[in-house]
Amino acid sequence: GEQVEQRPPHLSVREGDSAVITCTYTDPNSYYFFWYKQEPGASLQLLMKVFSSTEINEGQGFTVLLNKKDKRLSLNLTAAHPGDSAAYFCAVRHSNNRIFFGDGTQLVVKP
Amino acid sequence: DTTVKQNPRYKLARVGKPVNLICSQTMNHDTMYWYQKKPNQAPKLLLFYYDKILNREADTFEKFQSSRPNNSFCSLYIGSAGLEYSAMYLCASRPGTGGDTGQLYFGEGSKLTVL
Repeated sequence: GEQVEQRPPHLSVREGDSAVITCTYTDPNSYYFFWYKQEPGASLQLLMKVFSSTEINEGQGFTVLLNKKDKRLSLNLTAAHPGDSAAYFCAVRHSNNRIFFGDGTQLVVKP
Repeated sequence: DTTVKQNPRYKLARVGKPVNLICSQTMNHDTMYWYQKKPNQAPKLLLFYYDKILNREADTFEKFQSSRPNNSFCSLYIGSAGLEYSAMYLCASRPGTGGDTGQLYFGEGSKLTVL
């Protein structure tokens, strides 16, 4: 089955710093890719999505990069602020409707 | 309204007892999922319904059952809870049709503690 590996599990940065979270997947049938954000006590919320090997910026200070050749997905935060502190999960969708998640990254942004 | 509701939010169960968790959505979504989430682990796909068709993952096939009496409701049933079932259970839905990309709408979860 699909294996989604997410790194790092914990990430602590200063306000204004950049941050990068990366996921790798194994199944070539994965074709839709997502990043979810979970704030303490809240449900997972979609942050960004990407479908092809193009760079997409949703205007929230995040950029998603997808490399299907390397089966790698990254979430890039250019200038972190304390409100970005949360857990982030990548997810990959298969053509059979199965959706698999990474282990998550706990991001802490210090003032 | 893009809300997925789960009940109960917290459930305490004894080992060997059954557990029934409920999920509802009013978005007319065709597909509903159940995930098990343990601390520092990925949400683990347990099963999903596409319309009335139930798909259960092979490694949890015998541990969890589900029913979907109508489009809005989906339950997760554990016949005999074990300590290893203690986890957060996440319900999610997605349209399933009409250009759906696969974005999931999650409930807040049901935290199950088995003693």
